Amino acid sequence: QLQLQESGPGLVNPSETLSLTCTVSGGSISSTQYYWGWIRQPPGKGLEWIGSIYYSGTTFYNPYLRSRITISVDTYNNQFSLRLSSVTAADTAVYYCARRDCLRCPDEYWGQGTLVSVSS
Amino acid sequence: QSALTQPPSASGSPGQSVTISCTGTSSDVGAYNHVSWYQQHPGKAPKVMIYEVSKRPSGVPDRFSGSKSGNTASLTVSGLQAEDEADYHCSSFAGGNNLVFGGGTKLTVL
Repeated sequence: QLQLQESGPGLVNPSETLSLTCTVSGGSISSTQYYWGWIRQPPGKGLEWIGSIYYSGTTFYNPYLRSRITISVDTYNNQFSLRLSSVTAADTAVYYCARRDCLRCPDEYWGQGTLVSVSS
Repeated sequence: QSALTQPPSASGSPGQSVTISCTGTSSDVGAYNHVSWYQQHPGKAPKVMIYEVSKRPSGVPDRFSGSKSGNTASLTVSGLQAEDEADYHCSSFAGGNNLVFGGGTKLTVL
């Protein structure tokens, strides 16, 4: 059974960079043609797609966040990561990592989510 | 502000049917049959209930159905049960390798 688990700091200072890692177990991140991505949900609000990375390393980013996002894959450790720079309070959210079969497909597997607060 | 518009709340009594709308534009919902619906219980990760407008993943009850007309997609839950009380989110492919979500609808089973 595929499992995803987010990890990273729960508190980030304004203007700094948010860094999260998603560890995948129960399957290899590079063995098949899946898309690994990040979705966030501000408290009490809806979901927002942040971006996805194809198993080969090709990235797809939300155009409104593109200038601040980097998503990368670490096949050795079976992980993928998110970096979001110049954060503000508006970036406070529960961050989920997830897997989909294609970019247009729904996210079938999700991590449990991790709350990241941006505050000094 | 979310790209897709959903009503903030919906409700129905057990056994009744309720429909939740998701309105987009001709660049997302209206242009592609890649609309999905997710169910999210409090403190939990979302779970896909409908994909490609009207398809149900294995294990999702057939009480859940989806449809689309023009720029608006809809999720119908028939024979409401207490466990259907949750937040429901729609999403759509939006072209240019972009994906958009709605603001979510809180479904209350009265």
